[in-house]
Amino acid sequence: KQEVTQIPAALSVPEGENLVLNCSFTDSAIYNLQWFRQDPGKGLTSLLLIQSSQREQTSGRLNASLDKSSGRSTLYIAASQPGDSATYLCAVREYGNKLVFGAGTILRVKS
Amino acid sequence: DGGITQSPKYLFRKEGQNVTLSCEQNLNHDAMYWYRQDPGQGLRLIYYSQIVNDFQKGDIAEGYSVSREKKESFPLTVTSAQKNPTAFYLCASSISGSIGRSTDTQYFGPGTRLTVL
Repeated sequence: KQEVTQIPAALSVPEGENLVLNCSFTDSAIYNLQWFRQDPGKGLTSLLLIQSSQREQTSGRLNASLDKSSGRSTLYIAASQPGDSATYLCAVREYGNKLVFGAGTILRVKS
Repeated sequence: DGGITQSPKYLFRKEGQNVTLSCEQNLNHDAMYWYRQDPGQGLRLIYYSQIVNDFQKGDIAEGYSVSREKKESFPLTVTSAQKNPTAFYLCASSISGSIGRSTDTQYFGPGTRLTVL
């Protein structure tokens, strides 16, 4: 059974710092991996989707990498801002369109 | 505006009651999903539907029921058999519920917070 783990569970950084969030998964037979953002009490917003054949995706200050063979992904946030404060969730897509989620990393960027 | 709506935003249930959470989408998506989120945990799949009049159990279907009579609607009923229903419930949809394209993503609604009194 696929298991997704995110480290750290929570992170607090000063504004302007570059940071890395980690995601690991136990079964490398995935179609893709996604990073989502969730604000308190809200739904999820997709940030980046990396197909299983890709190594990384970039969007603005965000860069996500995927090493399928080792079961790892990282989300890199450059020059963090207070508006980046949220919970970041990693999810892998298995057979069909089923997603398996990690528990998330709660990020707080202090001004 | 295209998107997914969930209602109500907050819902309170007395023990022994059944309650129904609404989920509607106007994205013309074939597939719809219900997830449960508990504090400190990731989302867990309750039920999903790949097409109208068809649905499958997810990982934690016990105590829940769904219907999919229309493409746009996928209501979730939390029955009295669900012993610990207090949680945040999220509905999602995607273009296709089958293999589809590897770039297909799920779009999420704003959620319903259910509390048992």
